[in-house]
Amino acid sequence: NAGVTQTPKFQVLKTGQSMTLQCAQDMNHNSMYWYRQDPGMGLRLIYYSASEGTTDKGEVPNGYNVSRLNKREFSLRLESAAPSQTSVYFCASSEGGESSNEQFFGPGTRLTVL
Amino acid sequence: AQSVTQLDSQVPVFEEAPVELRCNYSSSVSVYLFWYVQYPNQGLQLLLKYLSGSTLVKGINGFEAEFNKSQTSFHLRKPSVHISDTAEYFCAVSLYTGFQKLVFGTGTRLLVSP
Repeated sequence: NAGVTQTPKFQVLKTGQSMTLQCAQDMNHNSMYWYRQDPGMGLRLIYYSASEGTTDKGEVPNGYNVSRLNKREFSLRLESAAPSQTSVYFCASSEGGESSNEQFFGPGTRLTVL
Repeated sequence: AQSVTQLDSQVPVFEEAPVELRCNYSSSVSVYLFWYVQYPNQGLQLLLKYLSGSTLVKGINGFEAEFNKSQTSFHLRKPSVHISDTAEYFCAVSLYTGFQKLVFGTGTRLLVSP
């Protein structure tokens, strides 16, 4: 089992460019999440998908869109990148939406916007 | 809304010494509590969680945490640290009910030196 995989590992964009971060899990989990990690701010939830076919905004959704392509895959899109979106992005998944569940994290994508 | 405070951004300690990483939370309703660890250039993984029952929770790698409801704290401890424990540690909370949305603290970097 690979767990949660993310591509790419690193990316440099110019302001205004677009890109899609890919995430896939092979644990048959129902719920998936996208976070961003910034120094001194911990992890903040961008979007989540409680189950296949549903997506909802988290704490910091502005400037992002998501697609739950199927049960395995959950992508994050930046339509017009801004320097404020320079961050490390983590995808996570959990078996279900119950509050007691463990979330499993991918290795992250380090994004720099110039 | 719930929040998590990790007052110590960095904790330096010598190998084989004990360590305590502090976490306080605020919430108007009951929560579940988690500690996650992030090793350099990796995603997060669960160390331990408190759901109910005994207030002393044991996790992986010799870590344990104590839930104190009156002080709204969930401090992480290890009696003797190793160099390999060098990592960033995140405390997180999730409401009892509804879909799980973790709220993370800002993290504490544990630096273990020989």
